[in-house]
Amino acid sequence: EPEVTQTPSHQVTQMGQEVILRCVPISNHLYFYWYRQILGQKVEFLVSFYNNEISEKSEIFDDQFSVERPDGSNFTLKIRSTKLEDSAMYFCASSERWGQVIATNEKLFFGSGTQLSVL
Amino acid sequence: GQSLEQPSEVTAVEGAIVQINCTYQTSGFYGLSWYQQHDGGAPTFLSYNGLDGLEETGRFSSFLSRSDSYGYLLLQELQMKDSASYFCAVLESSARQLTFGSGTQLTVLP
Repeated sequence: EPEVTQTPSHQVTQMGQEVILRCVPISNHLYFYWYRQILGQKVEFLVSFYNNEISEKSEIFDDQFSVERPDGSNFTLKIRSTKLEDSAMYFCASSERWGQVIATNEKLFFGSGTQLSVL
Repeated sequence: GQSLEQPSEVTAVEGAIVQINCTYQTSGFYGLSWYQQHDGGAPTFLSYNGLDGLEETGRFSSFLSRSDSYGYLLLQELQMKDSASYFCAVLESSARQLTFGSGTQLTVLP
């Protein structure tokens, strides 16, 4: 089965540093997402991206965060100046479609995540 | 905003049947999904209900009642490998995002 790949699997950084998390979504998918999960907590939505622009973003996704699809395959999340509270597992996800037919199987494919530790 | 409620923990024995309930409050409800997550790994899709009723996929079934804002995931013939966290997640028609519940940690005992 096709899969979403994320690199690196672990990232350690100093507070205030910039980090870029990378994702390669499934090739024929059109919608891309970043979620995060603080240890032991629920998976939280950060941002969705479609047609080369942000579709939705949560309150977490403030000015320190940005996303980019620099080429036809990669999808990146940048945190400009990391804070201690940014430490979490960051999941990239992609989907083929969104909300077009209510009865249809709406399915997100998640990558294995990048564990970000801010020291 | 949205809110989802599901039990934090469930324990059952191998071979048993377990039901994980999920109630939700949201505007513009579109559908309810279930995801499984092993030890902080990638959430993996289990099931989706866009319409009322039961969806069956092998040992797993999911049910939705839109009028009651309620759904459940039913796991039959439990196996040790089913020990994981299970998240219900709501899709809203107005937003391209999934909102996850806090998750139910299922422990399957021998």
